[in-house]
Order: sequence, then structure tokens, then C-alpha cells
Amino acid sequence: DTGVSQDPRHKITKRGQNVTFRCDPISEHNRLYWYRQTLGQGPEFLTYFQNEAQLEKSRLLSDRFSAERPKGSFSTLEIQRTEQGDSAMYLCASSPPKGRNTIYFGEGSWLTVV
Amino acid sequence: RKEVEQDPGPFNVPEGATVAFNCTYSNSASQSFFWYRQDCRKEPKLLMSVYSSGNEDGRFTAQLNRASQYISLLIRDSKLSDSATYLCVVNKDNFNKFYFGSGTKLNVKP
Repeated sequence: DTGVSQDPRHKITKRGQNVTFRCDPISEHNRLYWYRQTLGQGPEFLTYFQNEAQLEKSRLLSDRFSAERPKGSFSTLEIQRTEQGDSAMYLCASSPPKGRNTIYFGEGSWLTVV
Repeated sequence: RKEVEQDPGPFNVPEGATVAFNCTYSNSASQSFFWYRQDCRKEPKLLMSVYSSGNEDGRFTAQLNRASQYISLLIRDSKLSDSATYLCVVNKDNFNKFYFGSGTKLNVKP
């Protein structure tokens, strides 16, 4: 499978714990995005990487959230001191460097904070 | 004001019906436009891009009206399998951000 891969697919954690999600984009896609989606809403932009550089961050990305893409390939999204309001699906997407400017999503990582 | 606004629906239509969705976007500098389809608890998947001249893909037709800042999707001869949420997506800032609407839910009934 050469699509966007996300891990874990599901995570249940206690409030206050830290969680980390990993995303492996489609090979040769240099652009990588993180989105968050709650039920009944569309995906909300969190952050964008071009290669290893984080070029955009939403103000939704509070100081408890951090994302990295150290070698310009896979990316991680960490949430520290989780809160119940963090419960959502975290979607990773990637896009190629040129050509059709569309984004392709992974299957998402579901987070439930209890 | 939201970047992209859509009627949440649901639109309940019988098989074979024609149904149309609209969405409006707030930023006139928006450059690219798309419709994505999302099934329940799944990731969004690209349905089609939307071009200024309008474009068609089988039973699906997309239109863009830059002057009025709205995008439409027309589905002809609805199938049960078309039941999903349709997300309107707008891009500006040269690929840095894609803005999603909240989606319009379609239920196609037998």
C-alpha cells in the first residue's frame, strides 16, 4: 500500500497523558499536512510542512501541540497533557511537489481522552 | 466568518434523483477548488477538482462562479452508494492551506 499511513489508528488515553501520532506520507510527496476533525465538522487545518520546514501553524495548535518532520519524510504530532476537548480524529495528508495540487489523506488516528 | 460555508443537509433523495449542493467561500484570492467525499468515520477522498470552465466526471458536474464566490456539485442519477458527506475545499496561499467546509450529508434512499 503506497498511500498515506498513520499510526496508531485508535488511541484511548487518560486526561493529562501525552500522546504521539505518526504519519508516513506518500513517497516523494514533499508537502505534509495535519488536520483535526470532530464529528459533524470538516477537517480543521493544524500545520503544514514543506520538506522538513514547518511553514504554517494554525492558532488551533496550542503550546500543548507540537509537530515535527525531522528528515522531511515521516512526521509526528504530539499532544501533551491531553484534555477531553482533544478527542477527535487527527488526519495526516500529503501532496506532491508539483503537478496536481491536491492532498491525499491517511485513514486518520482517532483519539479519545477519558 | 468561516472560509468555506456549506449547507449541512441532510439531503434525502430517492435513487435516480438529481441533487445539487452549493458552497460559498469568503476569500476572493482563493486559487483552487475541490470536492471531497467522506464516508462515515473514514478519511476524506478526492472526488473531483473544480475548474473555472466547469467540469464533468461521469454523473458528477462541478461548477465554479468566481464572481459570486460559490462552487456547486451536481449529481445525476443518484445511487445508493453516493450516500456520504460531501466536503467543499478551497485552497489559497499556494498550497499551504486547504480550507474545508463542514460538509453536506447526502442520503440516497431505495
